[in-house]
Amino acid sequence: AQTVTQSQPEMSVQEAETVTLSCTYDTSESDYYLFWYKQPPSRQMILVIRQEAYKQQNATENRFSVNFQKAAKSFSLKISDSQLGDAAMYFCALPFLTQGGSEKLVFGKGTKLTVNP
Amino acid sequence: NAGVTQTPKFRILKIGQSMTLQCTQDMNHNYMYWYRQDPGMGLKLIYYSVGAGITDKGEVPNGYNVSRSTTEDFPLRLELAAPSQTSVYFCASSFSPRWTGEETQYFGPGTRLLVL
Repeated sequence: AQTVTQSQPEMSVQEAETVTLSCTYDTSESDYYLFWYKQPPSRQMILVIRQEAYKQQNATENRFSVNFQKAAKSFSLKISDSQLGDAAMYFCALPFLTQGGSEKLVFGKGTKLTVNP
Repeated sequence: NAGVTQTPKFRILKIGQSMTLQCTQDMNHNYMYWYRQDPGMGLKLIYYSVGAGITDKGEVPNGYNVSRSTTEDFPLRLELAAPSQTSVYFCASSFSPRWTGEETQYFGPGTRLLVL
């Protein structure tokens, strides 16, 4: 069964500094995607970054990058030059193929990120 | 495009009451999903639909029902509300069955439900 584990319930970072959020997962699939979602206080789910498992190169989106280690089943998110607007809950998610043929997302419990001015 | 819209934004129900959470998307997506998010937790799948007239259960379907009479709408019904259903409910949709590639997945803004 697919599982996603985020071991850091809360993290804090000073504005302009770098923070890394951890995520480990388990899947029996060989080819899959992984996602990081951001959920600000507005509760909107916002896709931050995605990583294809068969790509060795780590995904990067502006100040957001991942450290993907497939063998270790680790998928951490690095936020550089942290901004006040980065404060939010961050969820790691793994797609899981349902019996009906579509994919649902399995989410971790989330990490609450606080950015201190 | 408005994307995925949900109504209401917030609702308080008494135990045993019924209500329908509305979800509409205007992107002609075949695939639609209902998730619930309990406090301090990630989202869990309640029901999903792969097209009009086709629905199936997710991880936590008990206490809920869905229907999909049109491509655009995917309402979620609570028949006998219980305190355990206090949660934030998210509707989502996608064009493809697999959330991979360059396809963007869309979430609605959520409905906060409080059952007292």
